[in-house]
Amino acid sequence: NAGVTQTPKFRVLKTGQSMTLLCAQDMNHEYMYWYRQDPGMGLRLIHYSVGEGTTAKGEVPDGYNVSRLKKQNFLLGLESAAPSQTSVYFCASTIAPPYEQYFGPGTRLTVT
Amino acid sequence: GQSLEQPSEVTAVEGAIVQINCTYQTSGFYGLSWYQQHDGGAPTFLSYNALDGLEETGRFSSFLSRSDSYGYLLLQELQMKDSASYFCAPCRISGGYNKLIFGAGTRLAVHP
Repeated sequence: NAGVTQTPKFRVLKTGQSMTLLCAQDMNHEYMYWYRQDPGMGLRLIHYSVGEGTTAKGEVPDGYNVSRLKKQNFLLGLESAAPSQTSVYFCASTIAPPYEQYFGPGTRLTVT
Repeated sequence: GQSLEQPSEVTAVEGAIVQINCTYQTSGFYGLSWYQQHDGGAPTFLSYNALDGLEETGRFSSFLSRSDSYGYLLLQELQMKDSASYFCAPCRISGGYNKLIFGAGTRLAVHP
């Protein structure tokens, strides 16, 4: 099992560009999450999904959109990137909260 | 409102015992999780306390007191590889779903 994978691992964007981050899990988990982590800070929840075809806003959803068309995939989109979105993005999944969340390796995004 | 407090840094020597405290205030509290994150890595699950008391997993133990809104992580027989950030993460029910709240974390430095 690969667990939770994220692509890409690194990306540099110019302000105003768009991109999609892909998260995939092979554990048949229902719940998936997107977090961002800024230097010296904890994780902040952007969006989450409680099952295929469902999405919901987390703590810091502005500027992001998500889709969960397939159970194993959770996509995070930035329509018009801003320097404030420079961060490390982590995807996580769990069979059911509040149990263990499995995290992907992260995507390091820089917006110039 | 919500609040989450844990020390920003802790230093200890190899072989010692260290306790990382966590106090929280949140509505819809469900339980308390702990995660470890090495520099440049992804968070990994350490423990979850649903009920008051002590949970032991090898060298790590976690404690919860719901009445005091307090928990701690106890690390015994410290090893150099334990140098990492440790996050307490209260689980709360919001919008009908459980979500984790991550604080800024405690950076543990283990010295020889």
